[in-house]
Amino acid sequence: QSALTQPASVSGSPGQSITISCTGTSSDVGYYNYVSWYQQHPGKAPKLVIYDVSNRPSGVSYRFSGSKSGNTASLTISGLQAEDEADYYCNSYTGSRTAYVFGNGTKVTVL
Amino acid sequence: QVQLVQSGAEVKKPGASVRVSCKPSRYTFTNFYMHWVRQAPGQGLEWIGLINPTDDSIDYAQKFRGRVSVTRDTSTSTVYMELSSLTSDDTAVYYCARESSGLKNFDFWGQGTLVTVSS
Repeated sequence: QSALTQPASVSGSPGQSITISCTGTSSDVGYYNYVSWYQQHPGKAPKLVIYDVSNRPSGVSYRFSGSKSGNTASLTISGLQAEDEADYYCNSYTGSRTAYVFGNGTKVTVL
Repeated sequence: QVQLVQSGAEVKKPGASVRVSCKPSRYTFTNFYMHWVRQAPGQGLEWIGLINPTDDSIDYAQKFRGRVSVTRDTSTSTVYMELSSLTSDDTAVYYCARESSGLKNFDFWGQGTLVTVSS
């Protein structure tokens, strides 16, 4: 099971919107709506920011939103803030011999 | 607030085994699956496996089958991950993560346990 494909880095200025893509296959991202996104600051554990493609957990800023089209899921951060600078990982359930797969991660830089 | 508290850092020699523990609190232990995820230095996240604490059923990533064992002790409400035949490639931070009520995502994470494999 190969890792989902994410851009290595994305950057934006404060207040702007950025989008991170996560490309899988018709057997994982394209088949299941179990796509989730995690934010990880240096030296910290990951934090869930989006689940089931587009749902936000309680306490997560409305500035985070998710979507999916075909085999590609996306995370959008609107009104970019300095605290959003972190690594972001997507994850999908696969239903296969390796049941879950992560993306390779995207470093978000706030300029 | 849910907490997952993991055991401390480990240093192991190649070929050895390591066991990492994860003790959840502030929720009913048997109601949620527990997963293990690792992160090598400077690298991304990698799913290792999961356990259903209710019936002890497990599922492992194909890469780790035959070398990993995830178990639980209901008397102490603790989950364990044991990895054997360690090599330097197993040097990583190992996380336990709770699955959100069958929704196939990870809503709470442990603080991480650094496992260093070095001769």
